[in-house]
Amino acid sequence: DAMVIQNPRYQVTQFGKPVTLSCSQTLNHNVMYWYQQKSSQAPKLLFHYYDKDFNNEADTPDNFQSRRPNTSFCFLDIRSPGLGDTAMYLCATSVSYTQYFGPGTRLTVL
Amino acid sequence: DQQVKQNSPSLSVQEGRISILNCDYTNSMFDYFLWYKKYPAEGPTFLISISSIKDKNEDGRFTVFLNKSAKHLSLHIVPSQPGDSAVYFCAASLNYGGSQGNLIFGKGTKLSVKP
Repeated sequence: DAMVIQNPRYQVTQFGKPVTLSCSQTLNHNVMYWYQQKSSQAPKLLFHYYDKDFNNEADTPDNFQSRRPNTSFCFLDIRSPGLGDTAMYLCATSVSYTQYFGPGTRLTVL
Repeated sequence: DQQVKQNSPSLSVQEGRISILNCDYTNSMFDYFLWYKKYPAEGPTFLISISSIKDKNEDGRFTVFLNKSAKHLSLHIVPSQPGDSAVYFCAASLNYGGSQGNLIFGKGTKLSVKP
């Protein structure tokens, strides 16, 4: 049974064309995270929600925004994707110290 | 400035032998450590964790050792199986027990277990 679901699994977009990635969870966890992982790199935290409280990492570009309309869903919006935004985007949830990840969305910007 | 370092990008081990994956960290305030396993085209899967008040935690074939004085932890897999072939990420947290604890990840070590 999938606990953290990400859609789509693969996304191709054009330079500058907005894209939205989706994450949903069946765990009822109050914290949700978005990470960016580039090839051979460590996952890098972009932001997280503690319930409805949004916490942005200091070095997350303004181009990246997020919405969490309810406990189950969280979206990552990339307003004007650049070539450097090609990466795997991982959603995770937690209720304590352990984070549970979804399968990721592989985004390619052409 | 990497706070969590996995200095070996890859490791190859024979099936049935021990796999030892290493991780070093620089921030002495880290209070919780986790290991994740990642297959291609999948998200990281939680494997095992250890709090900073312990020096060993064991779960089946997996054991994590923590040496706080050396700021070093290691993951031992015994016996190694071909299905263990994956990328292993070490992660550290600053807020043990707190749900807002952010994880700092290493770059990962790719383990290959050969039959």
